[in-house]
Amino acid sequence: DVVMTQSPLSLPVTLGQPASISCRSSQSLVHSDGNTYLNWFQQRPGQSPRRLIYKVSNRDSGVPDRFSGSGSGTDFTLKISRVEAEDVGVYYCMQGTHWPPLTFGGGTKVEIK
Amino acid sequence: EVQLVESGGGLVQPGGSLRLSCVASGFTFSTYWMSWVRQAPGKGLEWVATIKQDGSEESYVDSVKGRFTISRDNAKNSLSLQMNSLRGEDTAVYYCASGRRFPNWGQGTLVTVSS
Repeated sequence: DVVMTQSPLSLPVTLGQPASISCRSSQSLVHSDGNTYLNWFQQRPGQSPRRLIYKVSNRDSGVPDRFSGSGSGTDFTLKISRVEAEDVGVYYCMQGTHWPPLTFGGGTKVEIK
Repeated sequence: EVQLVESGGGLVQPGGSLRLSCVASGFTFSTYWMSWVRQAPGKGLEWVATIKQDGSEESYVDSVKGRFTISRDNAKNSLSLQMNSLRGEDTAVYYCASGRRFPNWGQGTLVTVSS
């Protein structure tokens, strides 16, 4: 199974400042079809998860452009250019290349300082 | 607007059974793989099961194999999860999610396994 490791576990951020979350996979996420199926999800307190990014760097509809995804192979990053109060929550990466099983990272909790 | 609405959660004793349902709207259900993902209290997300568009393929996380069964009715735009031999570690909010990349999620239904 592919293990997804996120860091940090907790990320205190000042409003208006940038934030960065790392996600590493135990093996390359490049699929035989050439795509890399690495997604990012946001879960605000008390809400269902919401997908933000698919295939490493593609923003879902309605996702603010302050969110960006990057990376390749086994190393991936989610960046928030300027954190807003509504960005508080837990962020998860997930791989869909080598399945079953589909696997999630352990989550990174973003909070305001 | 895509909507996924789960139902069927509740309190069940260890060893008991429960059937979860998810009704989909706002997209062509029959053209999507569909999945269940769960979240234990205070914990992260865990994929549970996925079913192909026509129901011909099913996949499960090892911890539920032989106990849970995913199924679908494309005529009714519905997805189900039959859960048997439930254990305390199955206690979680269960989410219905579209596809294998989860672009859309339901609001979740809570399953509590306890005596």
